[in-house]
Amino acid sequence: KNQVEQSPQSLIILEGKNCTLQCNYTVSPFSNLRWYKQDTGRGPVSLTIMTFSENTKSNGRYTATLDADTKQSSLHITASQLSDSASYICVVSPSGGYNKLIFGAGTRLAVHP
Amino acid sequence: DTGVSQNPRHKITKRGQNVTFRCDPISEHNRLYWYRQTLGQGPEFLTYFQNEAQLEKSRLLSDRFSAERPKGSFSTLEIQRTEQGDSAMYLCASSPRTGGRNTIYFGEGSWLTVV
Repeated sequence: KNQVEQSPQSLIILEGKNCTLQCNYTVSPFSNLRWYKQDTGRGPVSLTIMTFSENTKSNGRYTATLDADTKQSSLHITASQLSDSASYICVVSPSGGYNKLIFGAGTRLAVHP
Repeated sequence: DTGVSQNPRHKITKRGQNVTFRCDPISEHNRLYWYRQTLGQGPEFLTYFQNEAQLEKSRLLSDRFSAERPKGSFSTLEIQRTEQGDSAMYLCASSPRTGGRNTIYFGEGSWLTVV
């Protein structure tokens, strides 16, 4: 079973436009939810980390939201740039232990000029 | 650059051969993780070290896989008798011990192709 589901699988937008990526999870209880950016062939890079008590977290043009009641998170990208083209991965860490990470499959974003 | 370092970045090997990957975590990070990622999928957990102790292994880590972190610093992941299904990117990550919401830093990965 997949505990972290992301949508859409892929997305194409024009440079300068905004977009929102979705993440639904079933991991419970959970400690924190993270969004990572992964360029093709590279390792993931952390964008945001939110605990279950946080509703929103921003990092520049990236804003993540979390609704722990509905077990949903979103990542909003404002004024997209060509360099935003990458996979965006939602990652949930169960409570307890040592930050074991459960990854979604990612949303592949392509920003076109 | 003081990030997580992985070597080699790319490895092509014949089926049946053994391969070893090395990971050098960020200095003073006592937590170290190995993940495997195939095309179009998110990384899957393989194993976790706290200092030199291997505290958890995924069932994905068959008996052909072994990971070590002998002095609590660098780690190695060895795959014996490689199979084509082992072709993937192997990611290493590290984090400090304090708190549960620490950033986990990933290396650039080691790509394995088994032919």
